[in-house]
Amino acid sequence: EIVLTQSPDFQSVTPKEKVTITCRASQSVGIALHWYRQKPGQSPELLIKYVSQSFSGVPSKFSGSGSGTDFTLTINSLEAEDAAMYYCHQTSDLHTFGQGTKLEI
Amino acid sequence: QVQLVESGGGLVKPGGSLRLSCTGSGFTFSDYYMSWIRQAPGKGLEWISYISRSGDMFFYADSVKGRFTVSRDNAKNSLYLQMNSLRADDTAVYLCARYLEAFDVWGQGAMVTVSS
Repeated sequence: EIVLTQSPDFQSVTPKEKVTITCRASQSVGIALHWYRQKPGQSPELLIKYVSQSFSGVPSKFSGSGSGTDFTLTINSLEAEDAAMYYCHQTSDLHTFGQGTKLEI
Repeated sequence: QVQLVESGGGLVKPGGSLRLSCTGSGFTFSDYYMSWIRQAPGKGLEWISYISRSGDMFFYADSVKGRFTVSRDNAKNSLYLQMNSLRADDTAVYLCARYLEAFDVWGQGAMVTVSS
């Protein structure tokens, strides 16, 4: 099973700042790495697929990069509504999720 | 609009069974692989199962293998999860999700509580 480890587990930031969340895979997942945001009390929503492809309707302030085992999600111009849990997800070998990163604004 | 709605959650005793349903609308259900993902209270996401478009191929996470069975009825736009031999650590919100390159549509979830 491919294990995804996100860092940090928690980050507190101020509005308009930029934040970077990392996701490290226990073995290469190629580019089969996706990112989701889960706002409190809501279901997850897809932000980025295949490392860097923005999902339809997702603001351009969300961007992703990386390949192989190391990936990053960058969020620019943070707003209060970005306070959420963020998860990475690999589809190279079945499915696994990272443990999540809680972002506090 | 594109939507997934889960139903069938509830309270069940350890060792008991429960069947969840997920009904899709606003899209051609048979065109998509579907998955079940769960989230224990205050915890992260755990993928537990997926099923192919025709229903002839399915996979499970080790945590549920041999106890849970995924199925679908494309004529009814529905996905199912039969859960047997339930344990306390199966307590979670169970979400169904549509899969096309990634999980692009999610349901709102069904709560399953396993407790005596």
